[in-house]
This record gives sequence, structure tokens and C-alpha cells, in this order.
Amino acid sequence: EPEVTQTPSHQVTQMGQEVILRCVPISNHLYFYWYRQILGQKVEFLVSFYNNEISEKSEIFDDQFSVERPDGSNFTLKIRSTKLEDSAMYFCASSQQGNSNQPQHFGDGTRLSIL
Amino acid sequence: AQSVTQLGSHVSVSEGALVLLRCNYSSSVPPYLFWYVQYPNQGLQLLLKYTSAATLVKGINGFEAEFKKSETSFHLTKPSAHMSDAAEYFCAVRGASGNTPLVFGKGTRLSVIA
Repeated sequence: EPEVTQTPSHQVTQMGQEVILRCVPISNHLYFYWYRQILGQKVEFLVSFYNNEISEKSEIFDDQFSVERPDGSNFTLKIRSTKLEDSAMYFCASSQQGNSNQPQHFGDGTRLSIL
Repeated sequence: AQSVTQLGSHVSVSEGALVLLRCNYSSSVPPYLFWYVQYPNQGLQLLLKYTSAATLVKGINGFEAEFKKSETSFHLTKPSAHMSDAAEYFCAVRGASGNTPLVFGKGTRLSVIA
């Protein structure tokens, strides 16, 4: 069964540094998402992306965050100047269609640790 | 706006016993509801979804959930727990219009005791 793949599985970065989290969505999917889960808290929506532009973003997704689909397969999340509170598990998801009854398929996540 | 509340951050059952994980939702529009499971060091895997068809939804691994509008609930059940069911379970809701994001509950950790 096709999967969403995320790399790296664990990223350790110094505060203030830039990080790029990478995702390869399922190949025929058109809608892409990033979520994050701070340890012990809920999984929270960050951003959705379709047709090379952001469809919706949450309050969390401020100017330090950006997303990009640099080629036909990758979908990246960049955090420009990381803060301690950015430490979390980041999940990428994709869906074939944007309808709300369509399930989103998740990757295994990238654990981001900011020192 | 949508939200979900999962009652009980940790549920422990004996192997072979009934599993009941509770989820109540709040939604200003007809909701679509989902249960996801997360095994250790893995991503979120879809167990089942309710999308306004049958109110009793069957999912993978013997799980099912019943949508009860009068109780605003979507509890997850399995008649007989297996050791392999030990995981974190998340209830999630989306509004039934457009490409809205998933809103997750805090999760319930299920432990299965031999």
C-alpha cells in the first residue's frame, strides 16, 4: 500500500537555526498537510497546501514557517529560526481529494528537538 | 468550529475484554469523524471514518464505532482486546464542507494486560 514518507525521522538542531522537514506524499494525491504534536499534547493542524499554494493555515503557522513543493514529489516544511517551543513531532499527510470525507494519510513523523 | 473530547487519557483492559474508547464531538456543521491509531514510533493510521452514511462504522482490526447525534458521541469499541491493540488512539473531526483541517482529541493510550 502506498505510504507517505518523511525524512529525517529525528532532527536535532540548535535554537535559531533553520530546519527543513521533508515529506514525499502518496503519488496521486493532490492535497498536502502538516500537523505537529508537542509532547503530551494534541495533534495540531499547521497548514494545508493545494495547487502550489497554501489553502489554509492555523495561528501556529506564523512567519517563521513556510512550505514548498520544490519538485513533483517532495513537500517541505521550513522553520526559519527555530525556538525551543518548536520541539515537537511533525506529521505530514496527504489526501487524494480535498473533500472532508476523504481520509488523510499520515507519515511516521519527524521528531524535532531544539537545543 | 469543531472540537473533540476524549474521555480518559489512559485505558487499561485485560486481553479478551471489551475495549471502549470514548469520544464526544462539538461541531457547528454536520461533522465527519475519524479514529486514528498510532503505534509506538509510527505515524497515524486510519482505523475508520464516519461520513454521514451508516451510523455504525466498521474499521480495520475488528474495531467499530457508532455515531450518535443525540449524544454527540463517536465511541470506539472492540469486543475482544488483543495484545497488539496496545497503542494511542485519536478521535478527529472535520466539518462536512470544503477542505477543512482535521481537529484531533488529546488521545487515549490503550494498554492490554495479559
